[in-house]
Amino acid sequence: DTGVSQNPRHKITKRGQNVTFRCDPISEHNRLYWYRQTLGQGPEFLTYFQNEAQLEKSRLLSDRFSAERPKGSFSTLEIQRTEQGDSAMYLCASSLARQSQETQYFGPGTRLLVL
Amino acid sequence: AQTVTQSQPEMSVQEAETVTLSCTYDTSESDYYLFWYKQPPSRQMILVIRQEAYKQQNATENRFSVNFQKAAKSFSLKISDSQLGDAAMYFCAYRRTGNQFYFGTGTSLTVIP
Repeated sequence: DTGVSQNPRHKITKRGQNVTFRCDPISEHNRLYWYRQTLGQGPEFLTYFQNEAQLEKSRLLSDRFSAERPKGSFSTLEIQRTEQGDSAMYLCASSLARQSQETQYFGPGTRLLVL
Repeated sequence: AQTVTQSQPEMSVQEAETVTLSCTYDTSESDYYLFWYKQPPSRQMILVIRQEAYKQQNATENRFSVNFQKAAKSFSLKISDSQLGDAAMYFCAYRRTGNQFYFGTGTSLTVIP
């Protein structure tokens, strides 16, 4: 399977703990996006990378959130000192930015529950 | 700011019938892209169809077609000959060139056998 993969698929943690999620994009894709999706809502943009550079961050991304894509391939999203409001599905998507055409391909998501 | 509005939280359709899902968006840009994504229960989101704003011709992908009204900022999705496998959450999305995607709140489609 050469699609976008995310690990873990589910994570349950206690409030105040740190969690880290991983996303492996489609291999030739140079852009990688992180979204958060809560029940009954569409995905909300968090941040995106072009290769290893983090080009844009949403105001939703508080100081407790940090994302990296050190080698321009996989990416990690870390949430420090988790809060119950962080409970959501975290989606990763990748794309190939070529001229003006860009289609995002989504991973299955990591569902986070903060107790 | 760009916003995407899907005014139908839920829709239903009889199997083999046609259904239209609505989407409107707000933008001051002239060059942008519109998408419909499908998210089946507990499964990942997949692209259904894409429309470039500079193209006047409506995009079509097999049973899926769009009605793109640029002046009205409307982008509806028509599903013909609905199948049970079409049941899912459908999200409309907007993207300006070189920028992030904005998603609507989704429409849950039920297909009745």
